[in-house]
Amino acid sequence: DAMVIQNPRYQVTQFGKPVTLSCSQTLNHNVMYWYQQKSSQAPKLLFHYYDKDFNNEADTPDNFQSRRPNTSFCFLDIRSPGLGDAAMYLCATSRGGTDYEQYFGPGTRLTVT
Amino acid sequence: GDSVTQMEGPVTLSEEAFLTINCTYTATGYPSLFWYVQYPGEGLQLLLKATKADDKGSNKGFEATYRKETTSFHLEKGSVQVSDSAVYFCALSEGGSARQLTFGSGTQLTVLP
Repeated sequence: DAMVIQNPRYQVTQFGKPVTLSCSQTLNHNVMYWYQQKSSQAPKLLFHYYDKDFNNEADTPDNFQSRRPNTSFCFLDIRSPGLGDAAMYLCATSRGGTDYEQYFGPGTRLTVT
Repeated sequence: GDSVTQMEGPVTLSEEAFLTINCTYTATGYPSLFWYVQYPGEGLQLLLKATKADDKGSNKGFEATYRKETTSFHLEKGSVQVSDSAVYFCALSEGGSARQLTFGSGTQLTVLP
């Protein structure tokens, strides 16, 4: 089945230690998104790629970076995680253009110790 | 900017009760509207959508009608089940080729047997 896959499902990192979260998709969608969802809150868009074009939300901290080496994969890098970065990180994809439905992965729960 | 206001939870119902979760939106144009559901520990799943005024989205017994005159998209189900227990998010997307989603704050629904 075509899907959005996130690895790992659970990640523990230390304060200040760089961490990378991974997302892959078999849908061949043009757009990939990263959302941050803190406990009992709505998902908040961090950035998205439309093909190779990177679009950062204005209030996304510089501590968060992203890479998309090819259509299938997209990575979220947190350069120096703080305790406030503990959250669920959701990856989503959409075809783009006039097809706007977003498909979400299961998420990676990040714990910062 | 765009925003979504959702009925605050948590909502607790008995099995077979009628469900309504209110959602209103503010948008500059003509957004598409969505309801997403998030089961514990999982990512978001699209429940239903509507793309223009008076459209009714429906899925798994849930319905919502796009009401432009009242800028609302209330979620309803005639008879809830224990398995419907989850968090429900109302969302909109408007404009741009990547069609970013703006989410409401989410409503926790618990259905008791």
